[in-house]
Parts: sequence; structure tokens; C-alpha cells
Amino acid sequence: DAKTTQPPSMDCAEGRAANLPCNHSTISGNEYVYWYRQIHSQGPQYIIHGLKNNETNEMASLIITEDRKSSTLILPHATLRDTAVYYCIVRSSNTGNQFYFGTGTSLTVIP
Amino acid sequence: NAGVTQTPKFQVLKTGQSMTLQCAQDMNHNSMYWYRQDPGMGLRLIYYSASEGTTDKGEVPNGYNVSRLNKREFSLRLESAAPSQTSVYFCASRLELNTGELFFGEGSRLTVL
Repeated sequence: DAKTTQPPSMDCAEGRAANLPCNHSTISGNEYVYWYRQIHSQGPQYIIHGLKNNETNEMASLIITEDRKSSTLILPHATLRDTAVYYCIVRSSNTGNQFYFGTGTSLTVIP
Repeated sequence: NAGVTQTPKFQVLKTGQSMTLQCAQDMNHNSMYWYRQDPGMGLRLIYYSASEGTTDKGEVPNGYNVSRLNKREFSLRLESAAPSQTSVYFCASRLELNTGELFFGEGSRLTVL
């Protein structure tokens, strides 16, 4: 699976958009990009995933660059409850068994 | 609908003691997983079960055994606990090995003295 690189920490003002970047320059054609978050040592929570196209759901939007070497998770209106560690994961639909979580980005939403 | 339930939530052991962490899911998922998370680190896969009756090693299996008791339940056993196994353990499930997202339990915090 491709390795991902994320900034260790970020701040965002409450009510503003939070843009969390992820680099995955060695991603291959059949590898999906997944985002999870972990709030205060709770179990990680699925946010969104995508292969090539941009994706949006009720929680967030995922923007994947055309060359697929990087992506951005967007929380459109960050709230204090969005303070968490965000993990960007790239995994293949063929391997099936492993999500490598890395150390993620610690997002702090500031009042 | 409880999702993924882990027991116990907290446990303190002495070196050399044994214990079993229990995990049950009520989502009719075929695949189940055990991860550990150490302070300041991401999650590492210990063992997984693609379907009832099968188990496979993950990234850090040494010192652990697992049992897929039935479709709902997947247990993790420490036969002789060591301080290096002090960690937070997360159980997760997924519809199929290659399909859907992971659903996690709330974690079991284990301290080995």
C-alpha cells in the first residue's frame, strides 16, 4: 500500500472550513484514499473515501488531484466537536486486509 | 443497534498473567480485526478474520492469539502478558474483506505491570 504523509497538527477557527492535506505520491491506480478520524482516544470513525473523483457526504468533502498524488479533506464548517486526529489511508481493493493508519493530523478547532 | 462491543473496557494485569479481550458485532459483518494503539502512534493490526473460521496475522501478532468463535464474536488472548503489551486495543468489523468501511469499538485499555 502507498505511504501517506500528513502534517502532524493544524488549527482551524470555529465556523471556518478545515482543509486537511495528504500526500500519497506513490499511489497506484487501484488504490483508494480513505479518511478516518479519532476523537479523544475513542474508536476511529469513518469519514469518506474515493478513488479518482471528488466525493462529498454529510460529513465532509474529499478532493483528489488529477494525478492522484495528493488529496484534501474539507470540513466545510468546523465545530469544536471536530477536534480530533484525522488519518489519511491509502489501500488497495486487492489487498483487502489492512488499513495502515499512520500518525495522522491532530486538528484543533479554536473557538 | 450496538455496533461493535468490546469487553472489558479497562484491565490491569501483572506480568505473566493471561486474559482474553472479547469483541462482538451485531451488523452481520464477515470480517473482523484487532488493532493496538500505543501513545502518540497510529493503529497497528494484530490479527484479522476474513470470515468465520479463518484468522490471519497482521503487522504485530507476536504474543497474541485469536479465536473467531462465530460470525459475531472475535476474541484476542494474551497468554503471558508483558509490559510491552500495555496499550489500547480496538476491535473492528467490516462487511467483507474488500468491501465497506471499518466500524470500531470503543477500545479496551490494558495495563501490564
